[in-house]
Amino acid sequence: NAGVTQTPKFQVLKTGQSMTLQCAQDMNHNSMYWYRQDPGMGLRLIYYSASEGTTDKGEVPNGYNVSRLNKREFSLRLESAAPSQTSVYFCASSSIGFIQYFGAGTRLSVL
Amino acid sequence: EDKVVQSPLSLVVHEGDTVTLNCSYEVTNFRSLLWYKQEKKAPTFLFMLTSSGIEKKSGRLSSILDKKELFSILNITATQTGDSAIYLCAVEGGETSGSRLTFGEGTQLTVNP
Repeated sequence: NAGVTQTPKFQVLKTGQSMTLQCAQDMNHNSMYWYRQDPGMGLRLIYYSASEGTTDKGEVPNGYNVSRLNKREFSLRLESAAPSQTSVYFCASSSIGFIQYFGAGTRLSVL
Repeated sequence: EDKVVQSPLSLVVHEGDTVTLNCSYEVTNFRSLLWYKQEKKAPTFLFMLTSSGIEKKSGRLSSILDKKELFSILNITATQTGDSAIYLCAVEGGETSGSRLTFGEGTQLTVNP
C-alpha cells in the first residue's frame, strides 16, 4: 500500500546548490504533480504531467525543472537553490475523476 | 485566474462543538470541488462534489456545494481532538486540460479537550 512515495523527507541546501526530489507512484495513475506549500499560501502547483511524456508549467514554475521518467516516476530539480525555495514540497498523482493522492512531503531548507 | 478563498483561516473550538468551514471560488469551466484534511504530513482526501445541493457525508463530516452562489461548506459535528488539522478546499476547472487543482489557503482547526 505504498501509494505515492517521495524522497528525501528532509534536505538542507546551501544557496546555489542543486538537487533532485524524487517521486514514484504505484497506483498506475496517468497524471502526476509537484506542489509547494508555504505558510498562509496553501498548495501551489509548480509543474504537472498529464500523461507519460508530457509536462506543463503550473502557477510557480520559475527555478524548477521536471522530468517524467516513466509512468511511475516524476522528479523535480532545483538547478541553483535560493532561500525563496525553502518550503515543503508535495508530489501527487491522479487518474480519472480528479482525486489527487499525495506523498508525505519533502521539507527543504535553503540557507 | 482561478481563485479559491477559505474562511475562517483559523478556528479554535472545544471538543463537542460543531464547526462550519467555508470555501468560495471563482473558476472558469468548473468541474469539481474537493476537500482534503492535512494533519502533520500529506493531505488526505475527504470529499469530491460536482452537483449542487447533494450532501456528501462521512461519519461526523458532511459537505455540500452551491454552484449558483459558488461556494461549499464542510461541517464537522461533535468535534474531537483528532479533528485538529488544516482543511483544504480545492477546485478543478479552468482553461487547460487535465486534472489541475487550485487550492485555497486552508483553515487551521484546533479542537481543545
